[in-house]
Amino acid sequence: GENVEQHPSTLSVQEGDSAVIKCTYSDSASNYFPWYKQELGKRPQLIIDIRSNVGEKKDQRIAVTLNKTAKHFSLHITETQPEDSAVYFCAANTNSNTGKLIFGQGTTLQVKP
Amino acid sequence: NAGVTQTPKFQVLKTGQSMTLQCAQDMNHEYMSWYRQDPGMGLRLIHYSVGAGITDQGEVPNGYNVSRSTTEDFPLRLLSAAPSQTSVYFCASSYSTRRVGYEQYFGPGTRLTVT
Repeated sequence: GENVEQHPSTLSVQEGDSAVIKCTYSDSASNYFPWYKQELGKRPQLIIDIRSNVGEKKDQRIAVTLNKTAKHFSLHITETQPEDSAVYFCAANTNSNTGKLIFGQGTTLQVKP
Repeated sequence: NAGVTQTPKFQVLKTGQSMTLQCAQDMNHEYMSWYRQDPGMGLRLIHYSVGAGITDQGEVPNGYNVSRSTTEDFPLRLLSAAPSQTSVYFCASSYSTRRVGYEQYFGPGTRLTVT
């Protein structure tokens, strides 16, 4: 069935270093790949998304890359700051034109000052 | 706009009790969904709806019912609560067409404990 795998489950970096989180998806019809950030006790919030017609998208310190052939997409955070510490979820849509998303298991990112 | 609202914020149930978690959105979104979040398990889809009168099962539907009588509301019913349903529940909504976009907006969540 539809599946999204996310790695690593935990990631610890020093402030200023880069962080990379990777996801793979199973549905070859998926064409929308969002990333959500969830701070402790809060709701998930969209930080960046990418559609299948582009290979990379950047927004200040965050970027997402997509390899449709390999069914991989990744989140890159550069110059990490303590406020980047949170749980990050990737997702992929399925059943095109419904809005249905399948989420990865999440990555807990800790940025040490 | 209030966005996506959920009630209650917290709830404690005894095994076997039933209850309804409420979810409403004021963005005229076609798509609405319920997730449960457990430690290390991510966000698992329980049920979803692509419009009023249309619902479908997600990954973990057992023990839950939904209905969608209006565009705005999407309540989740626990039929006979079990300790395994202790979790944080999130409702989310989005448009459902590629042209407009699929960004999902989440409600604040309901923390449910079943004893």
